[in-house]
Amino acid sequence: DQQVKQNSPSLSVQEGRISILNCDYTNSMFDYFLWYKKYPAEGPTFLISISSIKDKNEDGRFTVFLNKSAKHLSLHIVPSQPGDSAVYFCAASGGKLIFGQGTELSVKP
Amino acid sequence: DSGVTQTPKHLITATGQRVTLRCSPRSGDLSVYWYQQSLDQGLQFLIHYYNGEERAKGNILERFSAQQFPDLHSELNLSSLELGDSALYFCASSVGSGALENTEAFFGQGTRLTVV
Repeated sequence: DQQVKQNSPSLSVQEGRISILNCDYTNSMFDYFLWYKKYPAEGPTFLISISSIKDKNEDGRFTVFLNKSAKHLSLHIVPSQPGDSAVYFCAASGGKLIFGQGTELSVKP
Repeated sequence: DSGVTQTPKHLITATGQRVTLRCSPRSGDLSVYWYQQSLDQGLQFLIHYYNGEERAKGNILERFSAQQFPDLHSELNLSSLELGDSALYFCASSVGSGALENTEAFFGQGTRLTVV
């Protein structure tokens, strides 16, 4: 039972363009959502989060959007940079932190 | 450096054996979470401890167990190991009690377990 789903295993974008990573969840009790970034051979690192009472949170080049009615969130990175190439995990919190399968982002120069 | 320390970094062992993975949380963090990441899989939640007590369980096998000690470090014990247990095991820590309450979890670098 995958409560948090990232349906795109990979995404490739050109440097300077927008990267949009998507995430869907099934449990309406989740009240807090997070995005993590993971480089090879390292643990995931926190990127940005959003509370269920908001629909948008912005931090520099990173913006997370939450659509509660659709149980969908997305991470926008603009402009994308080669250093953004990593695996991105979305996670949902409701007593425990549940992760999606991850999307591998490749930003090409 | 997240402040979360996991040892060992790598572990190779034979099927049927038992291993113990160790996690030291960030200073001040009371919660420890364990996750398993198998090849091409996401981060599977195993178990969560808060201040020494088990708070939540995920898809943790009966062959696996964990505990959190009074000094807040945690150990994940894996027994009767099978080839399919080969994975990266991460622990994470956070200040909060489990709802996370607008605080993020910080991850260690993981222990890569290889069962041969």
